[in-house]
Amino acid sequence: DAGVIQSPRHEVTEMGQEVTLRCKPISGHDYLFWYRQTMMRGLELLIYFNNNVPIDDSGMPEDRFSAKMPNASFSTLKIQPSEPRDSAVYFCASSLGLAFTDTQYFGPGTRLTVL
Amino acid sequence: AQSVAQPEDQVNVAEGNPLTVKCTYSVSGNPYLFWYVQYPNRGLQFLLKYITGDNLVKGSYGFEAEFNKSQTSFHLKKPSALVSDSALYFCAVREVLTGGGNKLTFGTGTQLKVEL
Repeated sequence: DAGVIQSPRHEVTEMGQEVTLRCKPISGHDYLFWYRQTMMRGLELLIYFNNNVPIDDSGMPEDRFSAKMPNASFSTLKIQPSEPRDSAVYFCASSLGLAFTDTQYFGPGTRLTVL
Repeated sequence: AQSVAQPEDQVNVAEGNPLTVKCTYSVSGNPYLFWYVQYPNRGLQFLLKYITGDNLVKGSYGFEAEFNKSQTSFHLKKPSALVSDSALYFCAVREVLTGGGNKLTFGTGTQLKVEL
């Protein structure tokens, strides 16, 4: 398996622009997670899906952020409008289930820079 | 709430020497603990996890971790460090969410630097 795939790997945009990050989970995994990593706040869970349905979005910072999962093999995280404080590395992860024993597998991340 | 603490921001060790990256946990109930490694410009890679059973858990790349219930610790170890082990290491714990479900809660990370 190719693992979790994310695109783009790097994104540089200007404040106010819309940004869309993409993720393809590992085939057969029912859960998909979006994380954000910054120096100040470390790794934060933004939202997760089960069978394409958003389950917990309490980590989404504000209404400028939205996430969708139209099918089992694709998810997007959108920021509109983007702001410089959104600059971070965004990771997607997937797991078979949500049992305490289940392992999450991470993608390589998208490094977002908002100027 | 469940949490993990990584008391050291950075650990330096000479190649060939044993290494230890520390992690302590705070949980109510049974702990489910994980170690991940992040190489520069890469995503997090799973190393190992403690679920139940043996206190010494063996993982990828020669790493192992020792679960100590009395000290509430889950330290990551390797008998002989390699320069290629230099990376950022994260400890994580399963945290139960109100309303059901659970999530991984990560520590702040420890930068390991292995020098020749």
